[in-house]
Amino acid sequence: EAGVAQSPRYKIIEKRQSVAFWCNPISGHATLYWYQQILGQGPKLLIQFQNNGVVDDSQLPKDRFSAERLKGVDSTLKIQPAKLEDSAVYLCASSLDRIFKDTQYFGPGTRLTVL
Amino acid sequence: SQKIEQNSEALNIQEGKTATLTCNYTNYSPAYLQWYRQDPGRGPVFLLLIRENEKEKRKERLKVTFDTTLKQSLFHITASQPADSATYLCALAGTYKYIFGTGTRLKVLA
Repeated sequence: EAGVAQSPRYKIIEKRQSVAFWCNPISGHATLYWYQQILGQGPKLLIQFQNNGVVDDSQLPKDRFSAERLKGVDSTLKIQPAKLEDSAVYLCASSLDRIFKDTQYFGPGTRLTVL
Repeated sequence: SQKIEQNSEALNIQEGKTATLTCNYTNYSPAYLQWYRQDPGRGPVFLLLIRENEKEKRKERLKVTFDTTLKQSLFHITASQPADSATYLCALAGTYKYIFGTGTRLKVLA
């Protein structure tokens, strides 16, 4: 079974630039999550999709972050414009459903450095 | 606000010993608690899930306990091996929301 795919793996940008991350979840997984993990901290949920609808985006800085999941499969997370404090690893995860007994499968993450 | 605390200091133990990691939480009533392992440069990997009405769960050399009165979970690795060296994260789940702890870095010395 193929895992969660993310690209790019690394990205370096200047502050105020824009950046986009892509995620392809495990086939058949209805729920997709984007997390931000700052060095030394645990993952922080940014947004959760159920199919192509948003379940929770309460911690997404909506003035600069946006995410979409077209057709309920792939997802993109965008930051525009980036700030220094956005430097982090952005993790995508998927699960069969949003029932908590379902395991979340994480991708390798995209490490973003904002200079 | 909800808070999860894991020992931020690294835990060093000798190979063969039992490692015990702690996860404490406040202002939350999770329905489930999960433990994940994270290696450098990789995403977390699910290890164990325990429900609020369960006291203990085991899987091979791993054991998790969940005390909702103390608001604490303990994660044990018995007969630890150098390959168990990683960061271990606890995650609370309730009301369709996951909250992760900061993780504890475990190093098993050969």
